[in-house]
Amino acid sequence: DQQVKQNSPSLSVQEGRISILNCDYTNSMFDYFLWYKKYPAEGPTFLISISSIKDKNEDGRFTVFLNKSAKHLSLHIVPSQPGDSAVYFCAATSPLLMDSSYKLIFGSGTRLLVRP
Amino acid sequence: SQTIHQWPATLVQPVGSPLSLECTVEGTSNPNLYWYRQAAGRGLQLLFYSVGIGQISSEVPQNLSASRPQDRQFILSSKKLLLSDSGFYLCAWSGYRSLSSYEQYFGPGTRLTVT
Repeated sequence: DQQVKQNSPSLSVQEGRISILNCDYTNSMFDYFLWYKKYPAEGPTFLISISSIKDKNEDGRFTVFLNKSAKHLSLHIVPSQPGDSAVYFCAATSPLLMDSSYKLIFGSGTRLLVRP
Repeated sequence: SQTIHQWPATLVQPVGSPLSLECTVEGTSNPNLYWYRQAAGRGLQLLFYSVGIGQISSEVPQNLSASRPQDRQFILSSKKLLLSDSGFYLCAWSGYRSLSSYEQYFGPGTRLTVT
C-alpha cells in the first residue's frame, strides 16, 4: 500500500526553465511534507518542507505547493540548473507516535535531468 | 553543527556471512535514529528506528536487527546475509521532541552487495 506516490520516474527539462515534480498521497492524517534531493551513492539531503496548515513555502529557487483537497504536492524549481540533476523524493510524516517520534514515508523518487 | 557518519562506505559479503553496519551522530544529544534501505530503483524503506538507548522499533520483519548501545550510536546487524539484503543502507537522525523533529538528516550511506 503506497501512501506516498511519485508517478513520474523521470523528468527532463532545459536549463533555465521550470522543473515541476509531483507527489500524491492517500493519508489525510499526514501533517508535514518534505522534499529530499539525492545524488548517486550519497545520502538524501533535505531540501524544503511544508506544514499541512500552509499551501505554499518558498526558499530561493525552490517552492513547494500543497493542495490538501487533492492530496497533492509539487516542487517547483525556477530556474533549473544542471546541478539540480538528481533524484528527488517527497516524504510525508505520520502523526506523532506514542514514543515521540515521527516516521517519514517516502515516495519512489523522480529522476530530474536538467539539460545544458 | 551536527554530523552523521556511516561505515563502511561499501561492503561485499558472501551469502550466509554476518553483517555489522555502524552509524554515529555528533553535535546533538538524545537524537531519534533511523535505518533505511534503498533497493535498486526503489524508494527508501524504513527498517528500524530508535528514540533512546536500548529502544528499538522494527518496521519490517526480516533477518536484520538493530541495536543502540550508546546515545549517538546505531548499529545494523545480521547473523546470516541473504542475496535480497543487497542495497544501499542509510542512517538518519532527527531531533527528539523538538519543533523540527519531523526533519530527518541522512548519512552518506553504505552500499552492500551480497554475493
